Amino acid sequence: EAQVTQNPRYLITVTGKKLTVTCSQNMNHEYMSWYRQDPGLGLRQIYYSMNVEVTDKGDVPEGYKVSRKEKRNFPLILESPSPNQTSLYFCASSLSGLFNYGYTFGSGTRLTVV
Amino acid sequence: KNQVEQSPQSLIILEGKNCTLQCNYTVSPFSNLRWYKQDTGRGPVSLTIMTFSENTKSNGRYTATLDADTKQSSLHITASQLSDSASYICVVSDGGGGNKLTFGTGTQLKVEL
Repeated sequence: EAQVTQNPRYLITVTGKKLTVTCSQNMNHEYMSWYRQDPGLGLRQIYYSMNVEVTDKGDVPEGYKVSRKEKRNFPLILESPSPNQTSLYFCASSLSGLFNYGYTFGSGTRLTVV
Repeated sequence: KNQVEQSPQSLIILEGKNCTLQCNYTVSPFSNLRWYKQDTGRGPVSLTIMTFSENTKSNGRYTATLDADTKQSSLHITASQLSDSASYICVVSDGGGGNKLTFGTGTQLKVEL
C-alpha cells in the first residue's frame, strides 16, 4: 500500500531533550515536506526537500532541522525542543515539487513539550 | 501576503442533505487549488486538484468549482453521510520552486442523524 509513515504517533518530552520524528514513504516520491498544525491556523510548512540532499526552509523553520540522505526518508529533528513546539506534525510527499501532483500525508505526530 | 479564507468556520447538517463550502484566496501567482478532507487526528486526504483552466471537478459525491477570475472556489457535498464529518481544507499552490502551498484553516463539518 502506498503510504507515508510517521513515527511516533504520540510523543511527550521535556524541554531541551533532543528528539527525532521519522518519516518514510514507499512511493519513490522526489518531494517531501514537513508541516505543523496548530488550532485556528492552517498547516504551516517547516522544511521541504525537492530531492535527495536538497532541502530548504519553509515558513516556520526555527528550532527544526531536517536531512534527506535517502529518497524514502525525511526525518524532522528538534535539537532543543521548547513548549512552543507543542503541535501536530505532518509529513507529506509528492511525485515532484515542480508540477500539479497530489500530496500524500502521513497520519501525524502529536508532540507535547513540557 | 498569500491568504486562503474559508467559510463557514463550522457547519452542522442532517444526514442526506447537501452542503456547500466556500474558499476565497489571494495567492499569486496561481497554479492550482486543492480540497482536502481531514478526519480528526489524521492526515489530510486529497479530494480534488484543479488548475487554472478547470472550472469543475468531481470525486464521487464531492464536486469542486473554481472561478479563477474572482479567486473563489466551492466544495459541494451531495447526499451527506455520517462519514463526511471532518474538516475540509482548501489549499492553493503558487507553482513556484518548492511548490509553495497556502492552507486555509478549514471548515469543520458535522453530519448528524
